[in-house]
Amino acid sequence: AQSVTQLGSHVSVSEGALVLLRCNYSSSVPPYLFWYVQYPNQGLQLLLKYTSAATLVKGINGFEAEFKKSETSFHLTKPSAHMSDAAEYFCAVTNFGNEKLTFGTGTRLTIIP
Amino acid sequence: AAGVIQSPRHLIKEKRETATLKCYPIPRHDTVYWYQQGPGQDPQFLISFYEKMQSDKGSIPDRFSAQQFSDYHSELNMSSLELGDSALYFCASSLAQGGGYTFGSGTRLTVV
Repeated sequence: AQSVTQLGSHVSVSEGALVLLRCNYSSSVPPYLFWYVQYPNQGLQLLLKYTSAATLVKGINGFEAEFKKSETSFHLTKPSAHMSDAAEYFCAVTNFGNEKLTFGTGTRLTIIP
Repeated sequence: AAGVIQSPRHLIKEKRETATLKCYPIPRHDTVYWYQQGPGQDPQFLISFYEKMQSDKGSIPDRFSAQQFSDYHSELNMSSLELGDSALYFCASSLAQGGGYTFGSGTRLTVV
């Protein structure tokens, strides 16, 4: 069985500062990893995904994540936070790309003006 | 580009009533998933279908049932509704050979 752990249920950063949201995974086989963003009362929007190609994955809105097998991590980063980044972020894992996603408990990102 | 369509967007039901949620996947996507997201919770997998056959089952109550039809749309039927069923219900679709999942905007069910 696979799982993800998101460290920090709430993260606050100042506008313009680095955003770092942590995700560690557990999987017995090579994982597919995803980051989704959810704005209040809205659906899940895919930010980026890792599917065993390049370990550094670039996504939308300036976000990127690096797959580190040695650390079983897939942390999400953005060099400069914007007010519009305030949202809930979910890391998710699956094994073969066509099986169910298992989500982390989410990290609520707050941007301080 | 076509997205995953869910209907209705909002639904209010009374306890012990029945609700039916619909999901229209992206054309040519062969797999549909249903997730339930309670207030302040992460999405929990309920059930999935591949080529109209149930492919996996998660923490779906016996009061719930789902199916995928010949046109690949899926319906989640929920009976004897309880207050705890109030949640956002998401549908997602994908291709079996990978390529990622696309989520619909969800149906917000409120049971009163």
